[in-house]
Amino acid sequence: ILNVEQSPQSLHVQEGDSTNFTCSFPSSNFYALHWYRWETAKSPEALFVMTLNGDEKKKGRISATLNTKEGYSYLYIKGSQPEDSATYLCALNSGYSTLTFGKGTMLLVSP
Amino acid sequence: GAGVSQSPRYKVAKRGQDVALRCDPISGHVSLFWYQQALGQGPEFLTYFQNEAQLDKSGLPSDRFFAERPEGSVSTLKIQRTQQEDSAVYLCASSPGSETQYFGPGTRLLVL
Repeated sequence: ILNVEQSPQSLHVQEGDSTNFTCSFPSSNFYALHWYRWETAKSPEALFVMTLNGDEKKKGRISATLNTKEGYSYLYIKGSQPEDSATYLCALNSGYSTLTFGKGTMLLVSP
Repeated sequence: GAGVSQSPRYKVAKRGQDVALRCDPISGHVSLFWYQQALGQGPEFLTYFQNEAQLDKSGLPSDRFFAERPEGSVSTLKIQRTQQEDSAVYLCASSPGSETQYFGPGTRLLVL
């Protein structure tokens, strides 16, 4: 059973704060790492798919890094806005198409 | 274009009742996945189709759970004799064969 861990479980920040979350995974089972944003009552939205050690990806104010040797990925949000409030999920693809998810980090950004 | 759609969005069932959850994937997507998210947990894999073939059903929690995709497009997840522990959000995702999976909004099932 693959174990994908996310921390913190939840986070409450003020508008304008920068924040980051961690996803850790077994490095021996790595094929790709996915980040999703899931707003209440909506579909999970794909943010990034990361495959190479040292990968850095950016989408607007959100960026992610990947370290496959030590088994972790960071997601950064610069200058958080209330519309960034969501649950952020990471998921490991170990090469068998299916995804193994962490429990997510719930972010609340107050105006 | 249209994304993945699921119906119903919410379902309340009495214990012992059978339910059917529908997933309409993005047109042309070969792969289709079902996941179950219990309260406080991350989504967990249930089953996977490539076209109409069910290639992996190792995540189905019991023989009360059955999934089909007879024409390689729409899929139905059926749960027979529902139990309270079946209460969860059921997510469907489709993929064109690349790594990214595109998710629907989920069906929230509550078994009383």
